[in-house]
Amino acid sequence: GNSVTQMEGPVTLSEEAFLTINCTYTATGYPSLFWYVQYPGEGLQLLLKATKADDKGSNKGFEATYRKETTSFHLEKGSVQVSDSAVYFCALSDPAGYGGATNKLIFGTGTLLAVQP
Amino acid sequence: NAGVTQTPKFQVLKTGQSMTLQCAQDMNHEYMSWYRQDPGMGLRLIHYSVGAGITDQGEVPNGYNVSRSTTEDFPLRLLSAAPSQTSVYFCASSYLRGGSGNTIYFGEGSWLTVV
Repeated sequence: GNSVTQMEGPVTLSEEAFLTINCTYTATGYPSLFWYVQYPGEGLQLLLKATKADDKGSNKGFEATYRKETTSFHLEKGSVQVSDSAVYFCALSDPAGYGGATNKLIFGTGTLLAVQP
Repeated sequence: NAGVTQTPKFQVLKTGQSMTLQCAQDMNHEYMSWYRQDPGMGLRLIHYSVGAGITDQGEVPNGYNVSRSTTEDFPLRLLSAAPSQTSVYFCASSYLRGGSGNTIYFGEGSWLTVV
């Protein structure tokens, strides 16, 4: 079945450090891939997405590239800020589903990022 | 600019009690869904709906009921609460057109504790 595996946290970095959060997936067909972010006490917000192989999603300085050959969608940011402290979720939705099934998201377990000043 | 609105935000229930978590969206989305978030397990899909009058089960439906009488509302009912249902619940919605690349919009969550 479809699944998402992402690195366990917490990840603790100093401000301006480089961030990588690894995400790999298993899926039938060609899924769309997402990164969602959850700030403390809030709901999930879409950070970025990619819908086909070699697409790069980007937003707020974060980037992730859809790598079909390695089934990966690693999240990167060149210089993190304290305000980036949050839980980051990698997720996929399977286009092989019918109707509403294509909107069903399968999530990884989440990675807590803590950025220290 | 409401988006997806969930109520209540916090609730404590006794084992065996019933309650309804409310969810409303003002974006005219066809698709609505409920997830639960548990430590170390990410979010798991409980139920979803592709339009008024149409619902289906997700990954963890047991102990929960849903109905969709209008496009805007998608309440989640706990029939007889159990401690295993202590969790954070998120309602989410999106358009159906656009396929698997649709952006899913989430509410702010409902923290439920069953004692």
